[in-house]
Amino acid sequence: NAGVTQTPKFRVLKTGQSMTLLCAQDMNHEYMYWYRQDPGMGLRLIHYSVGEGTTAKGEVPDGYNVSRLKKQNFLLGLESAAPSQTSVYFCASSKRRPPATDTQYFGPGTRLTVL
Amino acid sequence: TQLLEQSPQFLSIQEGENLTVYCNSSSVFSSLQWYRQEPGEGPVLLVTVVTGGEVKKLKRLTFQFGDARKDSSLHITAAQPGDTGLYLCAGANQAGTALIFGKGTTLSVSS
Repeated sequence: NAGVTQTPKFRVLKTGQSMTLLCAQDMNHEYMYWYRQDPGMGLRLIHYSVGEGTTAKGEVPDGYNVSRLKKQNFLLGLESAAPSQTSVYFCASSKRRPPATDTQYFGPGTRLTVL
Repeated sequence: TQLLEQSPQFLSIQEGENLTVYCNSSSVFSSLQWYRQEPGEGPVLLVTVVTGGEVKKLKRLTFQFGDARKDSSLHITAAQPGDTGLYLCAGANQAGTALIFGKGTTLSVSS
């Protein structure tokens, strides 16, 4: 039982390049989330999914796209990376939707630098 | 807009000291959660408080949910270096679709 895994762990991009971050969970959770964490800003929700084939915008969705083709996977895409997207990205999953007293399980994060 | 304000932002103490960190909002939350995040890792859930006035204890950590369900506190007794990390409070947004996180309190405990 690996929980939530993220690939890659580190990545450096040049402005304008594209990339996809992969999140996988083996807990059969319905809900999955992508956050970014910046110094002094806490965790901010980018996009989330309430089930296979569904996605929705969070607090800071601009410049990102997501897909949930399989229940266990949640992909975050950057079509044209910008320096403002330099951040640590965390994926999380939960069995039930908030405000249930449920645990969100987080992955170890992907540290992205855009030059 | 729902906001969770955490204070202090940074806290540096010696081993054995006691401390309290706060999570405040002008909004009512049906429940609040506390997570701890260690450097290079994702946040890990410590506790969920659901009832106004509730107090939960987890070894040396005591969590309290305000009577009006707008605030919460985390008290650590006799802090240890292993308590070092970023402490985050979180509550569900009004739509009930995701969690809102505070900006966190960075705790450093030195021996």
